[in-house]
Amino acid sequence: RKEVEQDPGPFNVPEGATVAFNCTYSNSASQSFFWYRQDCRKEPKLLMSVYSSGNEDGRFTAQLNRASQYISLLIRDSKLSDSATYLCVVKENNLFFGTGTRLTVIP
Amino acid sequence: EAQVTQNPRYLITVTGKKLTVTCSQNMNHEYMSWYRQDPGLGLRQIYYSMNVEVTDKGDVPEGYKVSRKEKRNFPLILESPSPNQTSLYFCASSPLAALYEQYFGPGTRLTVT
Repeated sequence: RKEVEQDPGPFNVPEGATVAFNCTYSNSASQSFFWYRQDCRKEPKLLMSVYSSGNEDGRFTAQLNRASQYISLLIRDSKLSDSATYLCVVKENNLFFGTGTRLTVIP
Repeated sequence: EAQVTQNPRYLITVTGKKLTVTCSQNMNHEYMSWYRQDPGLGLRQIYYSMNVEVTDKGDVPEGYKVSRKEKRNFPLILESPSPNQTSLYFCASSPLAALYEQYFGPGTRLTVT
C-alpha cells in the first residue's frame, strides 16, 4: 500500500471557484504534513505546512484529520496562476510524496 | 543565489552506456536526495544522504549508484542504463533539521534508447 495517496485529477475549475483536494496517508505515526506545488515541467516547491489546528495562507487553507488520516487543501477564489500539480507530502523518518493532483483553472 | 544545480538538463543516451548526472547545492545542506518522476507514479526516491559519506537507499535504488564525498555534491550514476530508466530526475537538498523544506534542482530529463 502506498504511503500517500491522492486523487490525480485533473480538476478543471473556472476562475473564482473554490476547489479542495484530499490526500490520505497510511502510517498513523506520521509526524508532519505538507503541500508542495509543481508547475508544468518545473521542480516542486514547498507551498505550506499542515498543522493539527489547520493553517491558512491567503486563499489557501490546509487541514489535517489525524483520526481519519487525511490532509486537505482548499483553494478559494481560484486564479489562473493556481494551475499546477499539488503534491501531498508526509514526513516520517524521511519524506514521502503523493503522486499529485493536477489543477487547471479555466478563464 | 541559493540554489541546487543539475547537469545535464537533458540527455539522450543508449542502453548500457554509463552516465553521471551531477547535483550541487550551495546552501551547506546536510541532506541531499535523488528522485525520479514518472507519469502516474509521482516522485519516487532513489537514494538519499544525511551527510558526507552517509548514503541510504530510497524506494527505487536498483540500477543506480550515488556517492557523497563532499557536502555540496551528490552525483547520480547509472552504470548500465536501460530504457526503463527513462524518466525525469530531480535532485533535492535541505537542512537536516528542516527535512520538509526540500530545495529541488531544475530536473534532468533522461531518455535511454
